[in-house]
Amino acid sequence: EPEVTQTPSHQVTQMGQEVILRCVPISNHLYFYWYRQILGQKVEFLVSFYNNEISEKSEIFDDQFSVERPDGSNFTLKIRSTKLEDSAMYFCASSEGQRPPDTQYFGPGTRLTVL
Amino acid sequence: SQQGEEDPQALSIQEGENATMNCSYKTSINNLQWYRQNSGRGLVHLILIRSNEREKHSGRLRVTLDTSKKSSSLLITASRAADTASYFCAAYPYSGAGSYQLTFGKGTKLSVIP
Repeated sequence: EPEVTQTPSHQVTQMGQEVILRCVPISNHLYFYWYRQILGQKVEFLVSFYNNEISEKSEIFDDQFSVERPDGSNFTLKIRSTKLEDSAMYFCASSEGQRPPDTQYFGPGTRLTVL
Repeated sequence: SQQGEEDPQALSIQEGENATMNCSYKTSINNLQWYRQNSGRGLVHLILIRSNEREKHSGRLRVTLDTSKKSSSLLITASRAADTASYFCAAYPYSGAGSYQLTFGKGTKLSVIP
């Protein structure tokens, strides 16, 4: 069964460093998303992406964040200058439908630890 | 803001018993989805119920939706130890800003004791 994959599974970085989290969405899906979950808290929406542009973004998704689909398979989240409070689990998701709302399938997550 | 809230926050049952988790939300929704998360792992989609549906089944799962009460319930029948996980409801708002965002509740932590 097709699934969303994410790399790395765990990323440790120093405060102020840039990180890139990578995702490979399900191949025939058209919508892509990033969410994050700070330990013990809710899963929070960051951004949605369709047709090579951002569809929606939350207040969390400020100028330090960016997303990109550099090729036909990868979808990346870049955090330019990490802060301690960026430590969280980051989930990528994708959905098939030409317009939401549709089932979003989540990857296993990347645990980001900022020291 | 659109929000799903589950109750109870934690539920502990014996293997073989049924587990019921509830979710409430504040604004009109397009659909509501339930996810499972094993400790420290990813989110696994369980079931989607649309706003014009009242009940849906998938294996041992039964989901109901009451749009007049803005609530949903997830029933797991004949629970197994492997069902131990956190369960989240998540919803899309009906329209407008935020309609591409799934808003998650805090989750119910289910423990099934063998």
